[in-house]
Amino acid sequence: KAGVTQTPRYLIKTRGQQVTLSCSPISGHRSVSWYQQTPGQGLQFLFEYFSETQRNKGNFPGRFSGRQFSNSRSEMNVSTLELGDSALYLCASNPTSGDAFFGQGTRLTVV
Amino acid sequence: KQEVTQIPAALSVPEGENLVLNCSFTDSAIYNLQWFRQDPGKGLTSLLLIQSSQREQTSGRLNASLDKSSGRSTLYIAASQPGDSATYLCAVSRGAGGTSYGKLTFGQGTILTVHP
Repeated sequence: KAGVTQTPRYLIKTRGQQVTLSCSPISGHRSVSWYQQTPGQGLQFLFEYFSETQRNKGNFPGRFSGRQFSNSRSEMNVSTLELGDSALYLCASNPTSGDAFFGQGTRLTVV
Repeated sequence: KQEVTQIPAALSVPEGENLVLNCSFTDSAIYNLQWFRQDPGKGLTSLLLIQSSQREQTSGRLNASLDKSSGRSTLYIAASQPGDSATYLCAVSRGAGGTSYGKLTFGQGTILTVHP
């Protein structure tokens, strides 16, 4: 059974640019969640998508957005990048049993 | 607002010791609690999941307990090994008819170092 796939693994962007990250969940899982991890704030919830609908949203500015496709793959987008957006972005694939399976993450560096 | 606290922030032990990591949460209306392990620069690996109706779960040398009424969980690691060195994270998902299981609130983690 394939795990959670996040692409790309590493990314370097310039301030003001935008970026799109991708997550393919485990087959059969309809819920995908995104998290931001930084040394100062730890792991923070961004949003969750279930069957192409945003079901939960964390406390992040509108520059952070996401979507989910009919095959459950999800993307998150960050517009007008700031230095503080440098972080490890993690995606979780959530079965209805409640346990979360995480991908390896995308390391975003904003310069 | 749910808050999760982990104590201690860091722990260094010699190989072979049994150890306990602590996690507390402020809102007892949880759907479940999970313990994760994270190696530097990597994603999270799920160790144990305890549903809100359960009291404990065991996997190999790991045992996790849950006391919802006091808002506490402990992760017990028996006979620690250098390969256990990692950051251990506790996370809870809030219960709301089960629709919030995809939203986890994490503690800051305990950095564990097991030296030979």
